[in-house]
Amino acid sequence: TAGITQAPTSQILAAGRSMTLRCTQDMRHNAMYWYRQDLGLGLRLIHYSNTAGTTGKGEVPDGYSVSRANTDDFPLTLASAVPSQTSVYFCASSATSGSHGELFFGEGSRLTVL
Amino acid sequence: GQNIDQPTEMTATEGAIVQINCTYQTSGFNGLFWYQQHAGEAPTFLSYNVLDGLEEKGRFSSFLSRSKGYSYLLLKELQMKDSASYLCAVMDSNYQLIWGAGTKLIIKP
Repeated sequence: TAGITQAPTSQILAAGRSMTLRCTQDMRHNAMYWYRQDLGLGLRLIHYSNTAGTTGKGEVPDGYSVSRANTDDFPLTLASAVPSQTSVYFCASSATSGSHGELFFGEGSRLTVL
Repeated sequence: GQNIDQPTEMTATEGAIVQINCTYQTSGFNGLFWYQQHAGEAPTFLSYNVLDGLEEKGRFSSFLSRSKGYSYLLLKELQMKDSASYLCAVMDSNYQLIWGAGTKLIIKP
């Protein structure tokens, strides 16, 4: 079972360019999340979706957008990248939004904005 | 504000026992979680506590005291493969996870 697949695994991007990080899950989970992980900080929630067709803002949503057209896919878009968006991005899912917090994570996408 | 505190780094010896502490201040409480994250990899779920006391799962145990805002993860019979970061996270009253920065555990032979 693949679980959660993220792409690309690594990317270098020029400031001002747009970029979409892809995330696909095959567990039929209702809830999906995008986090960023920076050295010395805890995981920070960017956006989430409790079910297909709905999305919500997390702790650090500025500069990012998401969509949830179906259960499986939850892409994250940076419309105009800035160097402060250099980070490791993790997509995650859970069976439901309040399901005891057991999240299943993708392998991460390392993004460098120059 | 909400915050989760855990030590930045700990070192222990193979075969020994180590306790990683986590203290939290959050708006509401709907459970505390521990995740393991090996370098360059995704976090993976270890344990969940919502009631006070000790939850044991093989070599790993997790303890919770809600009145003290305190938890610990206990790792016994340490193995080299236990070298990883251990992340503490609390689910608040809005069912959002608040994450600590993680404790990097270094195991020495």
